Amino acid sequence: DTGVSQDPRHKITKRGQNVTFRCDPISEHNRLYWYRQTLGQGPEFLTYFQNEAQLEKSRLLSDRFSAERPKGSFSTLEIQRTEQGDSAMYLCASNLAGQETQYFGPGTRLLVL
Amino acid sequence: SQQGEEDPQALSIQEGENATMNCSYKTSINNLQWYRQNSGRGLVHLILIRSNEREKHSGRLRVTLDTSKKSSSLLITASRAADTASYFCATDAGAQKLVFGQGTRLTINP
Repeated sequence: DTGVSQDPRHKITKRGQNVTFRCDPISEHNRLYWYRQTLGQGPEFLTYFQNEAQLEKSRLLSDRFSAERPKGSFSTLEIQRTEQGDSAMYLCASNLAGQETQYFGPGTRLLVL
Repeated sequence: SQQGEEDPQALSIQEGENATMNCSYKTSINNLQWYRQNSGRGLVHLILIRSNEREKHSGRLRVTLDTSKKSSSLLITASRAADTASYFCATDAGAQKLVFGQGTRLTINP
């Protein structure tokens, strides 16, 4: 399967714990995006990378959130000191710079107890 | 925040009927895209229409765009049970990010 992959697919954690999610984009794609989707809502943009550079961050991305793409390939999204309000589906997408369509992974569903 | 609204929020029809979903948005756009999401899964791109286009077809899908009204519609003809999913419009204002609506939950009854 050469699509976007995300790991883990599901994560249950206790409030206050740190969690880290991984996204592997389609191999030749130089842009990578993170979105968050709460129940019954559409995805909301969090941040995006072009190669290893993080070019934009949403105000939704509080200082407890950090994203990296150290070698311009896979990306990680870390949430520190999780809160119940962080419970959501975290979606990753990728494409080539200049491409309009984004290709989404299956998402990581986070539940904070 | 969401770009706009989708209407209806939920739609239930019989297999074989046509389904129409509407999307409104707030700002000027470069293009508008429609995505499908099966329950608990990622999004799949369906169709893209650029701001200088008024109508586009892809198989059983027909999309219209009215930039003067800042609205779009997605028509699925001859619906099938496999079309059951949530459908989202997403606008691209040239800022490299997509801004999604709240979605329409479509249920096709056999």
